[in-house]
Amino acid sequence: QKEVEQNSGPLSVPEGAIASLNCTYSDRGSQSFFWYRQYSGKSPELIMFIYSNGDKEDGRFTAQLNKASQYVSLLIRDSQPSDSATYLCAGEPGSARQLTFGSGTQLTVLP
Amino acid sequence: DAGVTQSPTHLIKTRGQHVTLRCSPISGHKSVSWYQQVLGQGPQFIFQYYEKEERGRGNFPDRFSARQFPNYSSELNVNALLLGDSALYLCASSLYESAGSPLHFGNGTRLTVT
Repeated sequence: QKEVEQNSGPLSVPEGAIASLNCTYSDRGSQSFFWYRQYSGKSPELIMFIYSNGDKEDGRFTAQLNKASQYVSLLIRDSQPSDSATYLCAGEPGSARQLTFGSGTQLTVLP
Repeated sequence: DAGVTQSPTHLIKTRGQHVTLRCSPISGHKSVSWYQQVLGQGPQFIFQYYEKEERGRGNFPDRFSARQFPNYSSELNVNALLLGDSALYLCASSLYESAGSPLHFGNGTRLTVT
C-alpha cells in the first residue's frame, strides 16, 4: 500500500475555474505536508507547505490539512494555463528528514 | 541567490559502469538530500546528509552511496549500473536538518543506462 495517494488524473479545468487536488496518507506519524509543482522535464518546485490542521492561503493557492481524516488538499483559484503541470503531494514524519511523495496528479488548464 | 545546482544535467552510461552525480546546495543550507524519480512516479528518497553525516537512508541497495563535503556540497555514487537505474536524480537542500524545513530541489541529473 502506497503511503501517499493522490487522486487519479489527469484533471482538466477551464481557465478561471478552481482546481482541486487531493491527497491521502497512511502514516499517522506524518507531521508536515508539501505541495510541489513539476513541469514536464523539470524538477519539482515548492508551492506550499502546511503543518497544522486547517487552511493555509498563499495568493491563488490554498492548502488544507485534516490530520484526523489523513487528508491534504490543494486548491488553485482562478486557474491559468501556466498552472498546467503535475502536482506532487508529499508527507514527512516528525522524526525523520525524508519526504514520501505521491505519484502526482497531472493538471491541464484549458484556455 | 543561486539555487541548488547539479551536474551533469544529462548522462548516458552502460550497464555495469559507475556514475558520480554532484550537487551544490543553496548558500547557507547545510542539509542535502537525494531523490530518484522514475518517469511517471513521484521522487523516492535515497539519502539525507547533514554536517557531513548520513542522517537517513531510503530503501536502495548498497550500490548507492553518497557523501557530503565540508562546504556542504554532496556526491551520489552508483556502482554496477542496472537498466532500472535510469531516472532523474534530484538533489534537494534545506536550511535545517529537522523535518518540516522545506526542501528546494535542483534541476536534476537525467541518467540513462543502456
